[in-house]
Amino acid sequence: AQTVTQSQPEMSVQEAETVTLSCTYDTSENNYYLFWYKQPPSRQMILVIRQEAYKQQNATENRFSVNFQKAAKSFSLKISDSQLGDTAMYFCAFMNLNDYKLSFGAGTTVTVRA
Amino acid sequence: KAGVTQTPRYLIKTRGQQVTLSCSPISGHRSVSWYQQTPGQGLQFLFEYFSETQRNKGNFPGRFSGRQFSNSRSEMNVSTLELGDSALYLCASRQSSYEQYFGPGTRLTVT
Repeated sequence: AQTVTQSQPEMSVQEAETVTLSCTYDTSENNYYLFWYKQPPSRQMILVIRQEAYKQQNATENRFSVNFQKAAKSFSLKISDSQLGDTAMYFCAFMNLNDYKLSFGAGTTVTVRA
Repeated sequence: KAGVTQTPRYLIKTRGQQVTLSCSPISGHRSVSWYQQTPGQGLQFLFEYFSETQRNKGNFPGRFSGRQFSNSRSEMNVSTLELGDSALYLCASRQSSYEQYFGPGTRLTVT
């Protein structure tokens, strides 16, 4: 079974600043996907960014980028130029390509201050 | 395209009752997965259906069951409800890629 660990329960960041969320995972698989999902208060979960394990290049989506360190089993998310709308719970998730199940971390609550 | 829809959005039930939740995936998506979200346990995988067949099941008791219809709509049933079943139940649909698209969830409260 895969375990996903997010060690930061809460993070606060000033608007326009940068914040980095950490995530580590444990797996014996070699092929898998990693995701960051965002769940705003009382709103539905949306996909922020995806990383295929076989790709060495770190994924980037506009202001969101990841630092994927496969050997260290680390997958951090950087939010640049933080905006008030980035306030949400962020979940790191692991998907085994054999069963398509998502294993989630406990989540990190990000609050962007005006 | 319309997103994933879930009905009802809110539900209050009494211990011992049973409940059925519904999920309509994005048009063309054949896979539907269900997750339970609670403050204590976080997000946990319940099961996945693909083309009307259960393909995977998480570590939940047999009181939790599901099914998928030919139009890919899925239902989840929980029998003999317990207080601990109070949660946000999320469904997610997927087409051929690995990206899952989540619905807004059904908030179930068991009293």
